[in-house]
Amino acid sequence: QKEVEQDPGPLSVPEGAIVSLNCTYSNSAFQYFMWYRQYSRKGPELLMYTYSSGNKEDGRFTAQVDKSSKYISLFIRDSQPSDSATYLCAMNNLSGRTGANNLFFGTGTRLTVIP
Amino acid sequence: NAGVTQTPKFQVLKTGQSMTLQCAQDMNHEYMSWYRQDPGMGLRLIHYSVGAGITDQGEVPNGYNVSRSTTEDFPLRLLSAAPSQTSVYFCASTPQRGAGYTFGSGTRLTVV
Repeated sequence: QKEVEQDPGPLSVPEGAIVSLNCTYSNSAFQYFMWYRQYSRKGPELLMYTYSSGNKEDGRFTAQVDKSSKYISLFIRDSQPSDSATYLCAMNNLSGRTGANNLFFGTGTRLTVIP
Repeated sequence: NAGVTQTPKFQVLKTGQSMTLQCAQDMNHEYMSWYRQDPGMGLRLIHYSVGAGITDQGEVPNGYNVSRSTTEDFPLRLLSAAPSQTSVYFCASTPQRGAGYTFGSGTRLTVV
């Protein structure tokens, strides 16, 4: 079983829709949770960063962490064609030999926002 | 622009050849890492460094070497390229443990 599971999609939505992206994980020690956006043939770009459980909002983006369910979500409101990209969840726990320096990534969800 | 710079962007190698992927950051970050990205596998840690002179192995270190002589540079060496090393390689850096990483734009490597 992978440490982090993410539905690969692809996911297509019309412009203006609310998008929900999700990841589940198995390691209850994970404390730091991130969402990265990756455009085609580019490097991942940090979108959202949260520590432990709760919600965090930044403009049209909201990240939610539910540690009791080992489940994290990214919501995109009023989606735009420029949001078309692959979204990667990532997390780490700062423990273990590599824990502090190893981000555990989902495989990514490819999103297309149709004008 | 401040950030993580990777060279080359593309490379084709023959099996058995060696090469060095370059990575440089100008943000004075102590922590640097190399990841490889493969379809269906996500990003996996190859090697990392917590400061100049200090490196350690990640999840998939076999066939790769690293060194960190300065804070800015963290090159990744492929010792004897194999087709299984065909991948996209990303270098990343962060100023502190647990913080988000800044990634470079990647090196697309094909081993034939």
